[in-house]
Amino acid sequence: AQSVAQPEDQVNVAEGNPLTVKCTYSVSGNPYLFWYVQYPNRGLQFLLKYITGDNLVKGSYGFEAEFNKSQTSFHLKKPSALVSDSALYFCAVRDMGEGGFQKLVFGTGTRLLVSP
Amino acid sequence: SQTIHQWPATLVQPVGSPLSLECTVEGTSNPNLYWYRQAAGRGLQLLFYSVGIGQISSEVPQNLSASRPQDRQFILSSKKLLLSDSGFYLCAWGPSYNEQFFGPGTRLTVL
Repeated sequence: AQSVAQPEDQVNVAEGNPLTVKCTYSVSGNPYLFWYVQYPNRGLQFLLKYITGDNLVKGSYGFEAEFNKSQTSFHLKKPSALVSDSALYFCAVRDMGEGGFQKLVFGTGTRLLVSP
Repeated sequence: SQTIHQWPATLVQPVGSPLSLECTVEGTSNPNLYWYRQAAGRGLQLLFYSVGIGQISSEVPQNLSASRPQDRQFILSSKKLLLSDSGFYLCAWGPSYNEQFFGPGTRLTVL
């Protein structure tokens, strides 16, 4: 089965500094990778995805992610953090379920705290 | 554009009581539908998914069940709630191979 790991429970960064939220994956075949963000007491919002093509993927709210096949990583990045970026971030990978049904497998989440 | 609704937003229920959470999607047809539970504000656990009316697949054995009586309606139920059923329940829809779109969630507290 496909899986993703988010090694950090929490990432702290000062406003204006660059941020990185880490994700590594374990898949057989070509990975389909995703990042989602969750604000308190809200549903998840899609940020970006990697299917194929350029290793640097740009997404919503100024976020981007770099797909690195040799390191099996898909880290989320932003050049300059905002306090409003503080939220819970999930990495996910597409997996094949029963009967070929395709579903997403989520990591455990990383809480990002941006201080003023 | 597509929208997804969940209700109620919050629910407090006693142990042993029944449960019914509803999810509806607008602006698309024959979506794949999902129920997730998020415990303690962290990881998501896929509970059920559905590829069509009356077609439900369960990911984990538990005290809950799901039904899809209409194309864009997905219901999560329980006959008797347990304390461990407390959590944040998220419904999502999506194409079979791509990203999923989540509803606003239902916060369930079982006392």
